[in-house]
Formats: sequence, structure tokens, C-alpha cells
Amino acid sequence: DMKVTQMPRYLIKRMGENVLLECGQDMSHETMYWYRQDPGLGLQLIYISYDVDSNSEGDIPKGYRVSRKKREHFSLILDSAKTNQTSVYFCASSLGQNQDTQYFGPGTRLLVL
Amino acid sequence: GEQVEQRPPHLSVREGDSAFITCTYTDPNSYYFFWYKQEPGASLQLLMKVFSSTEINEGQGFTVLLNKKDKRLSLNLTAAHPGDSAAYFCAVGQGGRALIFGTGTTVSVSP
Repeated sequence: DMKVTQMPRYLIKRMGENVLLECGQDMSHETMYWYRQDPGLGLQLIYISYDVDSNSEGDIPKGYRVSRKKREHFSLILDSAKTNQTSVYFCASSLGQNQDTQYFGPGTRLLVL
Repeated sequence: GEQVEQRPPHLSVREGDSAFITCTYTDPNSYYFFWYKQEPGASLQLLMKVFSSTEINEGQGFTVLLNKKDKRLSLNLTAAHPGDSAAYFCAVGQGGRALIFGTGTTVSVSP
């Protein structure tokens, strides 16, 4: 069964703390994505990874960084979290790029106080 | 770059009625499209993927229409039922760049 997992599912942090969001997939997909979802804004692409150590900025990369050391894992890091980074974060993966279907994880709800 | 406008942001219908959602895009080179469904508190699930070669796409309980001339992608939930209550997102793509998502439509189906 094809699956994208995310950990943790819920997280509360204080402003200035570091945040690590983890994503995994068991489909050997090349491409992985991090999005954030805010009311009225839909999904905004933060970073895209085309394979191990091959990452590119999306539309809103400021304040975030990513790490992909294994094909099945993709991490999103917030160094010194800010209150405006409170959001729901979704990870997705696709076989390749472009026209391939993206499969989404369950999401992580992050609250930065 | 490509811009995608999705309307309406909210839609309330009675069970058995149709619910119609439209996305308009700007780049005529876009050639593949997605509709995703997101139930409350859940992730996005693929409803349908369509290519520009097919203008009418039938799914189970819904139809996706693509008007390439007007650059408009539509989702019609036919005979909606309470299980259709969810947020729906379109996404537009072309080679060489990531998908552009619409801002979503929250559909509420009342008995």
C-alpha cells in the first residue's frame, strides 16, 4: 500500500525554538515536496527535492531549510521558529517530476507561540 | 508565471443537487491537471488527473471538464451527498515547473 508518513502530527513550539518535521515514503519516489497550507491560500510550495541532496527552493523558502540524505526521507527544518510559521505542513512525493501524481502525507499541525 | 484562480471559495448545496467548481489558469502551455479532495482534518486525496487531450472526464459521482480555449477547468459533483462535504483543490501543471494549486473550495452538502 503506497504511503507517505509524517511525524509528528501535532507540534507546539515557542518562538525561537528549532523545529524538525519528518516525512517518509515507501514508494521509492524520486521527487518529494514540502507545502504549507493556510486558510484562503491553498497550498504553497516551500521546497522540492528531486533526489538525495538535490533540493530546490519553492515559492516560499524563507525561514525554512530541508535535508534529504536518503531517497525515502525528507526533512523540513525551521531554525528559530516564528509565530507566522504556524500552519499545517504537508509532505508529498511523486515518482518523477511534473506530470506525475503527487501523493500527500497526513499533515503536521504546527503551532508557534 | 502561471496563475490559478479557483471559485467559489465556499459552496453550500442540498443533497442531490450539483456542485460546480471552476479554476481558470493563464498559461496556455499548461497541459495536465489534477483535482484533489481534502476531508476535514485529513490529507489531500487524488480525485482525478486529466490531460489536455481530453475535455470531458467522468468519475464516480463527478465530471471534470476542460475548456482549453477559455483556459478553464471545472469539477461538477453530480447529485451531491453528505460524503462529498470537503475542500476541493485544483492543480495545474506543465513540464519544467512544479504544480500550481488553486486556493480551494469548501463544499458543504446538507441532507
